[in-house]
Amino acid sequence: SQQGEEDPQALSIQEGENATMNCSYKTSINNLQWYRQNSGRGLVHLILIRSNEREKHSGRLRVTLDTSKKSSSLLITASRAADTASYFCACPHQGTYKYIFGTGTRLKVLA
Amino acid sequence: GAGVSQTPSNKVTEKGKYVELRCDPISGHTALYWYRQSLGQGPEFLIYFQGTGAADDSGLPNDRFFAVRPEGSVSTLKIQRTERGDSAVYLCASSLGPGLGGETQYFGPGTRLLVL
Repeated sequence: SQQGEEDPQALSIQEGENATMNCSYKTSINNLQWYRQNSGRGLVHLILIRSNEREKHSGRLRVTLDTSKKSSSLLITASRAADTASYFCACPHQGTYKYIFGTGTRLKVLA
Repeated sequence: GAGVSQTPSNKVTEKGKYVELRCDPISGHTALYWYRQSLGQGPEFLIYFQGTGAADDSGLPNDRFFAVRPEGSVSTLKIQRTERGDSAVYLCASSLGPGLGGETQYFGPGTRLLVL
């Protein structure tokens, strides 16, 4: 079963706009990670947020975590065409090292 | 380079053949993961190594799939009697290992396997 599920599945915005993606998960977690993937090959780690954190920033990225709702969001501010990619959340399954990825949000930023 | 490397980058084989996919993790990373990704899907966990041992192989779909990491560094994913449904991108990732700060996974570029 899916541990992380992203929403929306696809998102198309204009350059300069903000993009928000959401992730919901099922079991308790100790951390949640966001990854970006270009062209269906290797994933790039963006940010890790721990269960005792509510918000984390990295450059133009802002991640929030609500453990009571079992959800996280990734906000990309002032988007650029180069942000066009698929974005995945990943959570460890029930305290293990088995990371479960969602199906991803495909972001398209139009120049 | 200092990143995770995978070979081959592409592999085409015929149904029923045996294939081996190789992963070279980042030096010093004790944890190694294999994932499989089909088109339009997220990576699907296959197996996790901590050092030389497979700490969690619950994602391997059946006994045709096997992975080794004999010296705690390079890993090989082996698929016997390949089937067309095995066609996917196989991703390898490594991380520092258990402990605070060791969870971030660094992915290789993947091996695209096509079974004809």
